[in-house]
Amino acid sequence: EAGVAQSPRYKIIEKRQSVAFWCNPISGHATLYWYQQILGQGPKLLIQFQNNGVVDDSQLPKDRFSAERLKGVDSTLKIQPAKLEDSAVYLCASSLGPGANTGELFFGEGSRLTVL
Amino acid sequence: AQSVAQPEDQVNVAEGNPLTVKCTYSVSGNPYLFWYVQYPNRGLQFLLKYITGDNLVKGSYGFEAEFNKSQTSFHLKKPSALVSDSALYFCAVRDDGATNKLIFGTGTLLAVQP
Repeated sequence: EAGVAQSPRYKIIEKRQSVAFWCNPISGHATLYWYQQILGQGPKLLIQFQNNGVVDDSQLPKDRFSAERLKGVDSTLKIQPAKLEDSAVYLCASSLGPGANTGELFFGEGSRLTVL
Repeated sequence: AQSVAQPEDQVNVAEGNPLTVKCTYSVSGNPYLFWYVQYPNRGLQFLLKYITGDNLVKGSYGFEAEFNKSQTSFHLKKPSALVSDSALYFCAVRDDGATNKLIFGTGTLLAVQP
């Protein structure tokens, strides 16, 4: 079974530039998450999708971050304009939908962003 | 609000010795608790979970965790550590809101010396 796919693995940009990350979840997983992991900290949820609808984006900095999951499958996370403090690993995860979700998440390998 | 705390930034243990990585939790209601492991430059991998039932939960790679309600703890354990167990370990709790998202601790780096 294919796992969660993310790209790119690494990205270096200058502040005020834009960047986009892509995620393809495990087939059949209705729930998709984007987490931000800053060095030395635990992952923090940015946004959670249920199919193509947003169920939690309370910690997403909406003035610069946006995410979409138009067809309920793959997703894109965009940052525009980037700040130095956005340097982090962006983790995508997926899980089965409601009723079958006991909380186990399947993570991709992450996209490491460095903002100079 | 749900939260977990991992009091140790790093745990050092010799290969073959038992290991414990500590986690305490704060929840309203019944806790759903998890352990994940992160190897260098990799995503997080699920190890084990406690939902209900036996307080001793067995998981992947020989790891187990003990749920202790009176001490609000969920410590990760392994009887005999391997060098290959060296990694970053995260404790997590499922949020009790509608989204059921996971809230992670700050992580504990486990270093197993040969």
